[in-house]
Amino acid sequence: SQTIHQWPATLVQPVGSPLSLECTVEGTSNPNLYWYRQAAGRGLQLLFYSVGIGQISSEVPQNLSASRPQDRQFILSSKKLLLSDSGFYLCAWSITRNTGELFFGEGSRLTVL
Amino acid sequence: SQKIEQNSEALNIQEGKTATLTCNYTNYSPAYLQWYRQDPGRGPVFLLLIRENEKEKRKERLKVTFDTTLKQSLFHITASQPADSATYLCALASGSQGNLIFGKGTKLSVKP
Repeated sequence: SQTIHQWPATLVQPVGSPLSLECTVEGTSNPNLYWYRQAAGRGLQLLFYSVGIGQISSEVPQNLSASRPQDRQFILSSKKLLLSDSGFYLCAWSITRNTGELFFGEGSRLTVL
Repeated sequence: SQKIEQNSEALNIQEGKTATLTCNYTNYSPAYLQWYRQDPGRGPVFLLLIRENEKEKRKERLKVTFDTTLKQSLFHITASQPADSATYLCALASGSQGNLIFGKGTKLSVKP
């Protein structure tokens, strides 16, 4: 069966510090991968998606970047965090785009102070 | 661009009653619409998908309807239980890439 792992689960970072969130999927090949952010009082916002190794598309301009160094690994990064980067970050995967359901990780709670 | 509105931020009902949650969208009718459940501090979990040519879909105590004329989907939980308490999100594909966008969710509380 397929599983998705996301870490760390929680982190508190000072403004201006770097960020790295990692997500891995097991039990499937060539998944579509996504990073969403859920801020307090707001819905899930799609940040990045990837259809293959090294292929990253950004949905919104922001202080973050994403990379996919391996087929089932997706990394969310920032060189310098802003207060507005605080939120609940969710990695997800799907088998197909446009028609398939998303399978989400457990999320990473980021607090920037 | 497509927008999703889940009009009720919170819904409180008594155990055993039917909960009905509403999801409205603003522009073109999507090919399908999905519903997810999210518990506090957890990632959303997929529940049901309904396609535009399907009027209704059921899964155990869950029922989803899709009305492309009203641009609306209704999500029903019959014989609700306290364990059904969670936030329910609707989602649909939007944009040229067809990525899923989500509503803000409705927080359902089922009281014993």
